Amino acid sequence: SQTIHQWPATLVQPVGSPLSLECTVEGTSNPNLYWYRQAAGRGLQLLFYSVGIGQISSEVPQNLSASRPQDRQFILSSKKLLLSDSGFYLCAWNQGWGNTEAFFGQGTRLTVV
Amino acid sequence: GIQVEQSPPDLILQEGANSTLRCNFSDSVNNLQWFHQNPWGQLINLFYIPSGTKQNGRLSATTVATERYSLLYISSSQTTDSGVYFCAVGSTTSGTYKYIFGTGTRLKVLA
Repeated sequence: SQTIHQWPATLVQPVGSPLSLECTVEGTSNPNLYWYRQAAGRGLQLLFYSVGIGQISSEVPQNLSASRPQDRQFILSSKKLLLSDSGFYLCAWNQGWGNTEAFFGQGTRLTVV
Repeated sequence: GIQVEQSPPDLILQEGANSTLRCNFSDSVNNLQWFHQNPWGQLINLFYIPSGTKQNGRLSATTVATERYSLLYISSSQTTDSGVYFCAVGSTTSGTYKYIFGTGTRLKVLA
């Protein structure tokens, strides 16, 4: 069966420090991968999505970037964190042309101090 | 882009009560899912329901794609049903597929 892993679960980082969050999917190949962010008490905002290795689309201009170095690996990065980057980050995947059920990781709670 | 609205935004129920949550979307979609976000933030898949009706225990969902809405029914609610319920719609824009989330319904079930 397919599983999705995200780490770390929680992270506290100072303003101006770099960020790297990792997401991996097991048990499938060529998944569509997504990064979402949820601010406290708010809905989920799509940040990036990828349909293949090296293919990244950005939804919202921001201080973050994403990369897909391997088929089942999706990385969210920042060179210098801002206070406004705090939030709950969720990775998701689905299969095929995209019109299939999506599954989410456990999330990373990031606090920038 | 597609707008997804959920109602009500907040709901408080006594244990054992029934409720209906609504999701309206502004354009044609290829897909629709309902999720429950638990207090730890985890998104639990409830239904994958682009159209029709499905039931799973005390929960059921109906999507009427032609009228651009979906309903989630919770019967005999329990305190463990508390949390935030999201619907997410999927559409193809410029050849790429995306899920767009609604604003959520925050449910609190009182013992």
